[in-house]
Amino acid sequence: SQTIHQWPATLVQPVGSPLSLECTVEGTSNPNLYWYRQAAGRGLQLLFYSVGIGQISSEVPQNLSASRPQDRQFILSSKKLLLSDSGFYLCAWRHRGRRETQYFGPGTRLLVL
Amino acid sequence: KQEVTQIPAALSVPEGENLVLNCSFTDSAIYNLQWFRQDPGKGLTSLLLIQSSQREQTSGRLNASLDKSSGRSTLYIAASQPGDSATYLCALQETSGSRLTFGEGTQLTVNP
Repeated sequence: SQTIHQWPATLVQPVGSPLSLECTVEGTSNPNLYWYRQAAGRGLQLLFYSVGIGQISSEVPQNLSASRPQDRQFILSSKKLLLSDSGFYLCAWRHRGRRETQYFGPGTRLLVL
Repeated sequence: KQEVTQIPAALSVPEGENLVLNCSFTDSAIYNLQWFRQDPGKGLTSLLLIQSSQREQTSGRLNASLDKSSGRSTLYIAASQPGDSATYLCALQETSGSRLTFGEGTQLTVNP
């Protein structure tokens, strides 16, 4: 069976510090991968998606970047965090080529102070 | 641009009551519609997925319907239980790609 992990679960960082959130998927290969952010009082916003190693599509201009160094690893990064980067970050995967449901990870709660 | 609205934003009901959550969308060119459940501080769990050619899907006490022509979907929960307390999110997948567009959710509380 497939599982998706996110690390860390919770993170408190000062403004201006760097960020690295990791997402890994097990039990499948060649997945489509997604990063979402859920801010307080707002719905989920798609930040990035990837259809393969090194292939990243950005959905909104922002202070964040994403990378996919391995098939089942998706990393969300920032060089300098802003207060507005606070939120709940969710990683998701889907079988490539299938328009079915996305499977979500447990999330990382980020608080920027 | 697709917009998804969920009403009500919050709902509190006594245990055992049947209830309906609503989702409306502006662009009927969708591939499928999904209902997710999110527990506080947790990820999303898919409950039901309705393809654009379908009218409804059922799983246990849950029934989801889709009316593309009117841009509406409903999630019906029968005989609600305290364990049903969570936020319920509606999401659409567009025909032209794999993007999911989410509503802001309905926060459900079922009181014992």
